[in-house]
Amino acid sequence: NAGVTQTPKFQVLKTGQSMTLQCAQDMNHEYMSWYRQDPGMGLRLIHYSVGAGITDQGEVPNGYNVSRSTTEDFPLRLLSAAPSQTSVYFCASSYSPWSYNSPLHFGNGTRLTVT
Amino acid sequence: SQQGEEDPQALSIQEGENATMNCSYKTSINNLQWYRQNSGRGLVHLILIRSNEREKHSGRLRVTLDTSKKSSSLLITASRAADTASYFCATDDTGANSKLTFGKGITLSVRP
Repeated sequence: NAGVTQTPKFQVLKTGQSMTLQCAQDMNHEYMSWYRQDPGMGLRLIHYSVGAGITDQGEVPNGYNVSRSTTEDFPLRLLSAAPSQTSVYFCASSYSPWSYNSPLHFGNGTRLTVT
Repeated sequence: SQQGEEDPQALSIQEGENATMNCSYKTSINNLQWYRQNSGRGLVHLILIRSNEREKHSGRLRVTLDTSKKSSSLLITASRAADTASYFCATDDTGANSKLTFGKGITLSVRP
């Protein structure tokens, strides 16, 4: 049982490049989400999904796309990377779409630098 | 926008001492959770307290919730060097389904 797996661990992009951050969980969790963590800002929600085929925007969705074709996977796409997207990205999942029923399980993060 | 705000921002104590961290929030909540983050790792869930609960214990952790003051505290008793980490409170706000909002975190250093 690997939990939440994020790849890659580190990535450097040039401005304007695109890439996909991968997130997979093997706990059959319905709820998955993406956060970014910046110094002094805590964690901010980018996008989330309450089940396969359903996604919604969080607090800071601009510049990011997501899709949820399977229960296990929730990739985050950067369409045209900007230096402001330099951050550490965390994927998290929980059993229930309603987080008060179960806590979030986090991956170990992807550290992204955009030059 | 940030819902929970932790206090203090940083705390340094000696091993064996107790550590108290506080979290204040602005709107009504369903529950409040505390997470720990070790350097370079993801967050790990510590404890969840529901809005109708006032106190909860888990091992050396004690969490209180005062909904009238919109505040919570996390007490770690008999701290250990391994407790050195960042601690975050997170709120599940009523009316904000499926969104867990995190504070900016508290950095705890426990000196051996």
